[in-house]
Amino acid sequence: QKEVEQDPGPLSVPEGAIVSLNCTYSNSAFQYFMWYRQYSRKGPELLMYTYSSGNKEDGRFTAQVDKSSKYISLFIRDSQPSDSATYLCAMTTDSWGKFQFGAGTQVVVTP
Amino acid sequence: EADIYQTPRYLVIGTGKKITLECSQTMGHDKMYWYQQDPGMELHLIHYSYGVNSTEKGDLSSESTVSRIRTEHFPLTLESARPSHTSQYLCASSDLAQREQYFGPGTRLTVT
Repeated sequence: QKEVEQDPGPLSVPEGAIVSLNCTYSNSAFQYFMWYRQYSRKGPELLMYTYSSGNKEDGRFTAQVDKSSKYISLFIRDSQPSDSATYLCAMTTDSWGKFQFGAGTQVVVTP
Repeated sequence: EADIYQTPRYLVIGTGKKITLECSQTMGHDKMYWYQQDPGMELHLIHYSYGVNSTEKGDLSSESTVSRIRTEHFPLTLESARPSHTSQYLCASSDLAQREQYFGPGTRLTVT
């Protein structure tokens, strides 16, 4: 069983809709959680970074962490065609920073 | 935007050739990483470094080697390329005090 599970999609939504992405994990020691966006044939770009449980908002993006359920989410409001990409979750323990990545969810926002 | 660079961006090479993938960052980060990424799969850590003269193997068994002679430079070498090495290779870096990793654009390697 993988340490981090992420639905591969594709997730297709109309422009303006809310995109909801999530990851589940098995290691309760994870404390730092990240979301990356990756466009085709590019490297991942850091979107959101959260520590422990709770919510964090940055513009149209909201990240949620529920450590009791071992579940993290990313919400994208007012989605745009430029949000079409693969979204990767990543997490690490309170150690030297070795990350575990999800396989990514492909998102397609149609005009 | 993170200042981390990888060259070449694309490489097609024949079996048995020696190749070096370059990675440089201008942020002064101590930690650097190499990941391998195949379509639809999670990133797999193949090498990492905490600083100059520090290198370790990651989770994924790899026939590649790395060196860290300068803080800003973390090249990855394949002594004898094979078709099974065909993949995207991503370099990343992070500050010792931070958890976020910043990625380069990647090198897409095809071994024929």
